[in-house]
Formats: sequence, structure tokens, C-alpha cells
Amino acid sequence: GENVEQHPSTLSVQEGDSAVIKCTYSDSASNYFPWYKQELGKRPQLIIDIRSNVGEKKDQRIAVTLNKTAKHFSLHITETQPEDSAVYFCAASGRNRDDKIIFGKGTRLHILP
Amino acid sequence: DSGVTQTPKHLITATGQRVTLRCSPRSGDLSVYWYQQSLDQGLQFLIQYYNGEERAKGNILERFSAQQFPDLHSELNLSSLELGDSALYFCASSPRQGREETQYFGPGTRLLVL
Repeated sequence: GENVEQHPSTLSVQEGDSAVIKCTYSDSASNYFPWYKQELGKRPQLIIDIRSNVGEKKDQRIAVTLNKTAKHFSLHITETQPEDSAVYFCAASGRNRDDKIIFGKGTRLHILP
Repeated sequence: DSGVTQTPKHLITATGQRVTLRCSPRSGDLSVYWYQQSLDQGLQFLIQYYNGEERAKGNILERFSAQQFPDLHSELNLSSLELGDSALYFCASSPRQGREETQYFGPGTRLLVL
């Protein structure tokens, strides 16, 4: 079945450094890859997404890269700030008849002062 | 604010009881998704409805059921509640069938079963 693996489960970085979170997916037909950020006690919110027709997308300090051949995609946060502390979820959605999106288990990012 | 509303925000009940969680999608969105998030856990997909019909099913227990009404709001019914059902329940909505669409999450309902 479809599966999305996310690593690491916990990540601590110094404020100002970069953070990288990696995900792999199993369904080669997947063509949409969103990333959600969930602050403590709040709802998950989309921060960036990428579709399979591009290899990289950037939005200010956040970028996502996609390698369809290797079936993995990554979230890069540069110049990290305290407000980046949260849980980040990757997800993959495919062309299957079943419309559900598959989420990774999440990465808890701590920004250290 | 995503435009998705959920009620109630908090719910405390006892084992064996039955509760109903309600979700109103963003205006114009036809798909509603339900997720369960236990403490320090990821988002477990439960079920999706599209324009009133069940579209996809995840790891939803037989004690749980859902429906989407003609006005597109959705309800998640949890019965014979167990301690392990304590969790945050999110609904999300998207404009169409959701294969390649952003899902907008509601604020969640925090359920505590005592």
C-alpha cells in the first residue's frame, strides 16, 4: 500500500541555522506533495507544496525539492527563527481512484536560542 | 482562520458513551476529511466525503461513523467510547475531490474519555 516515511522524528537546530526534513514515498503515481506546519495545540496549516512537474519550489526562507526518480522530497528552512518551532508533516497524494492523502508521521523541530 | 469550523472545541465524556463531532467546510468546498491525532502522534486519516458520498476510507473503527449532509456539513459519530479514543479530531476540506488539492484544516475537537 501507499506509505510516506519522514525523517527525522525530532530535530534541534540553533537559531539562524538551516533545517532539513526528508520524506520518501512508495507510490510512483504520486504527483502532489504538500508540507504542513502544526504549532502546539493548533491546526495543521499548509506552508508549501510541490507538484511532480517541477523539481524545486521556494517561498522566502522555505524551499521544497522533489526527486521523482528516487521518490523522495525534502523541506529546507533557512535562517531558522524561534517561530519555526513546530511539528512539520509531509504528505503525498497520487492519481489513484482512492483520493486520500498520505501523511508522514511528523518531525518535531526545536529552534534553540 | 482557514474557514473550516468545528464544534465543540472540547468534549469530556465517559467510557461507553456516544458523541457527535460537527464540521462545516469552507464555503464552496465539496470534500470533507476526518483525521484523528493522538498525543504525539501523526494525522491518522479516518474517512472522506465528497458532495454527500463516502469517497475514501482509512483506519476508521467500526464504532465510528460519519456522514455529509446536503448542506455539506459533516458529522463524525463515535460510539462505545474507550479511553484510547481520547484524541484531537480534525476535519479538513478541499474544493473538489482532493487528489491534488490543499486541505484546509479546522481547529479540531479535543475529546477526552474518562
